[in-house]
Amino acid sequence: GNSVTQMEGPVTLSEEAFLTINCTYTATGYPSLFWYVQYPGEGLQLLLKATKADDKGSNKGFEATYRKETTSFHLEKGSVQVSDSAVYFCARTYTGGFKTIFGAGTRLFVKA
Amino acid sequence: DVKVTQSSRYLVKRTGEKVFLECVQDMDHENMFWYRQDPGLGLRLIYFSYDVKMKEKGDIPEGYSVSREKKERFSLILESASTNQTSMYLCASSLSRGGPDNYGYTFGSGTRLTVV
Repeated sequence: GNSVTQMEGPVTLSEEAFLTINCTYTATGYPSLFWYVQYPGEGLQLLLKATKADDKGSNKGFEATYRKETTSFHLEKGSVQVSDSAVYFCARTYTGGFKTIFGAGTRLFVKA
Repeated sequence: DVKVTQSSRYLVKRTGEKVFLECVQDMDHENMFWYRQDPGLGLRLIYFSYDVKMKEKGDIPEGYSVSREKKERFSLILESASTNQTSMYLCASSLSRGGPDNYGYTFGSGTRLTVV
């Protein structure tokens, strides 16, 4: 079926640390893949996306590469800031329709 | 930028009331969605619509209905509010015309509903 699995949080890092949040998806069809970010008290915002294998999405210092061989789309950032504290959602399009399937979300805390 | 506007940030309603949550988008998107978000359960799709007057059930439609009379507006209706419908409700829209949603969603800021 269509599903997305991401690492459980919370993830706690110090400022300027390297961030990885793992995400894997079921290999059904040829989905587009997304990362969304939700800041406290807000709705979700699209952070980056990739629509085919080997594409790299990037935005605001965050990157993720669409890896078909490992069915993964891990989110990375080289140096996190306190302002990056938020919940991050991995998502994929739904094969055979136009819904999007979301992962459970990973909360990130960045300490000064 | 596309804007998705939800009419209320916070609502408090009584058990048994009929509740309307309104959502408006301003960029001619075809698709609109209602999710609820609860701790530990992530986002769960309630209903979605891919055209005016069209609606499809999502994963948890029980206790809810929707209305889409105009392309830009998608309303979520709680016919008789119950305490287990206390939640954060998120509206979203997307561009795609019948194909996969490769552009991503634009979300509103959410409505936190408390049913007492």
